[in-house]
Amino acid sequence: QQQVKQSPQSLIVQKGGISIINCAYENTAFDYFPWYQQFPGKGPALLIAIRPDVSEKKEGRFTISFNKSAKQFSLHIMDSQPGDSATYFCAARSDYKLSFGAGTTVTVRA
Amino acid sequence: GAGVSQSPRYKVAKRGQDVALRCDPISGHVSLFWYQQALGQGPEFLTYFQNEAQLDKSGLPSDRFFAERPEGSVSTLKIQRTQQEDSAVYLCASSLTAASYNEQFFGPGTRLTVL
Repeated sequence: QQQVKQSPQSLIVQKGGISIINCAYENTAFDYFPWYQQFPGKGPALLIAIRPDVSEKKEGRFTISFNKSAKQFSLHIMDSQPGDSATYFCAARSDYKLSFGAGTTVTVRA
Repeated sequence: GAGVSQSPRYKVAKRGQDVALRCDPISGHVSLFWYQQALGQGPEFLTYFQNEAQLDKSGLPSDRFFAERPEGSVSTLKIQRTQQEDSAVYLCASSLTAASYNEQFFGPGTRLTVL
């Protein structure tokens, strides 16, 4: 059973546009919410992460918005670049165990 | 090598064969994890080691799957009598300590195809 639901499955955005990926969870034991970026043939790499006591975190062009009461969080990629084309996974952690969403394939058109 | 390495990168097995997948974590990392990533899906937790101790194997799909880390460094994931449903990318990750807030660093994975 998937503990973290992620949408959309894929999206296409023009260069300079905004990509938005949404995730939802049910387990209130989750205490850390990372986003991973994965390129073909590579393992996932940590992009940005947030704890539930914070509603927003920004690092460069990447922003996480977190809504604890709704048990939802999202990733915004501003000024999307062709190099951002990858698969993005949201995840949630309880103790040491990460539960991943199904992934969103982002394609940035030049 | 600064990162997590895995070998082989690709493995093709005939149904019923046994396979062994190797993970070399980042030197000094205490915690080691194995994940299974089916095509088009996110990674799914398989098992967790703290040094040589396997503390959680709740994600292993069946008793055909076995993992070990005898000296608290290199780990091997073994799959006996492989089945077609075992086809997936197997990812290994390591983190510095057992503390839950430590980042997990992933290797490139081993793509297993069972014919």
